[in-house]
Amino acid sequence: ETGVTQSPTHLIKTRGQQVTLRCSSQSGHNTVSWYQQALGQGPQFIFQYYREEENGRGNFPPRFSGLQFPNYSSELNVNALELDDSALYLCASSLGRGLRNTGELFFGEGSRLTVL
Amino acid sequence: AQSVTQPDIHITVSEGASLELRCNYSYGATPYLFWYVQSPGQGLQLLLKYFSGDTLVQGIKGFEAEFKRSQSSFNLRKPSVHWSDAAEYFCAVTPSGGYQKVTFGTGTKLQVIP
Repeated sequence: ETGVTQSPTHLIKTRGQQVTLRCSSQSGHNTVSWYQQALGQGPQFIFQYYREEENGRGNFPPRFSGLQFPNYSSELNVNALELDDSALYLCASSLGRGLRNTGELFFGEGSRLTVL
Repeated sequence: AQSVTQPDIHITVSEGASLELRCNYSYGATPYLFWYVQSPGQGLQLLLKYFSGDTLVQGIKGFEAEFKRSQSSFNLRKPSVHWSDAAEYFCAVTPSGGYQKVTFGTGTKLQVIP
């Protein structure tokens, strides 16, 4: 059983650029959630994908967008980067939703984005 | 809206001493509750979870937590702390069933001194 893997692990961008972060979910998991963790803060929910459709979104602007692929891997795209987007971006996979949803998340090690 | 409060930003304990990390939540019904641990530069690892039933739950690495509905609390405890427990600890809450937004607290950083 493979865990959640994310790439790249670190990257540096400048303001106004665009970035794509990637995530492979744990084997057998069909749900992927993305979180932003700023320095010294807890993770903040960005959005969740279930079977290739967005299943919920946190308080993030539309320039944060995502995709989920048929193999349940996922991408997070951020356009028009701002300095405040500098953070650790965490991907978490889980199984199912509804009554079978336990809310238990399995996290990758994150992608650390620095915006200059 | 659901929320989680971890009142202690930073806690220092001696190795071998007992530990209690506080967590209070705000939610209309009984949510699912979690404690996660994050080592520096790493993702989060689940320590334990509460869904229903026995209010004292056991987790990995010798941790336990007690759900107290009357106090809206879910405090994390360990009888004897090891140096390897130094990390940041996050309490989290999600509604039972359905939409899976998990809300995290701001974390408590644990320092262990010899």
